Amino acid sequence: GDSVTQMEGPVTLSEEAFLTINCTYTATGYPSLFWYVQYPGEGLQLLLKATKADDKGSNKGFEATYRKETTSFHLEKGSVQVSDSAVYFCALSDQGGGADGLTFGKGTHLIIQP
Amino acid sequence: GAGVSQTPSNKVTEKGKYVELRCDPISGHTALYWYRQSLGQGPEFLIYFQGTGAADDSGLPNDRFFAVRPEGSVSTLKIQRTERGDSAVYLCASSHRTGGNSYNEQFFGPGTRLTVL
Repeated sequence: GDSVTQMEGPVTLSEEAFLTINCTYTATGYPSLFWYVQYPGEGLQLLLKATKADDKGSNKGFEATYRKETTSFHLEKGSVQVSDSAVYFCALSDQGGGADGLTFGKGTHLIIQP
Repeated sequence: GAGVSQTPSNKVTEKGKYVELRCDPISGHTALYWYRQSLGQGPEFLIYFQGTGAADDSGLPNDRFFAVRPEGSVSTLKIQRTERGDSAVYLCASSHRTGGNSYNEQFFGPGTRLTVL
């Protein structure tokens, strides 16, 4: 079946540091890939997505590139802010492979210190 | 406009009891999904509705779990004979999905936190 593996947290960084959160996946079909974010006290929100190989998703200074050869979708940001503190989930949609729901990783708790 | 809403936000029940969790999707969204998120885990897919019918219920863990969407809008997740292991946050999402393999963004509600004592 499909699966998503992302780096364990918590990840603690200082403000303005460079961020990478690793994500790799296995899928039956050709999935679309996503990063969702959950801010404290709020629901899951889509942060960015990529639907085919070599696509780069970007939003709010975050980027991730769909790498089919390494089955990866790592999340990066050049300079993090305290307001980026949240839980980040990597996810895939494999409707072509017969899966109707999203498959999520376990989440990475990001803590940004001033 | 209004997002996905879920009620109640918190539910505490005793082992063996029956519970119902409600989801109000975004108006006009034909697709509705239920997920379960246990502590320290990502959400796990339970069931997907397209309109009134359950198009995919492969994620329901056992026959104690059931969901309905009788008018193609509001959905209710029903759990019979609750067990302590059912304690989790139950998330609902909706989308414009109309079929085929193209992805339509899922919008999530805030969840219902279920605690089974």
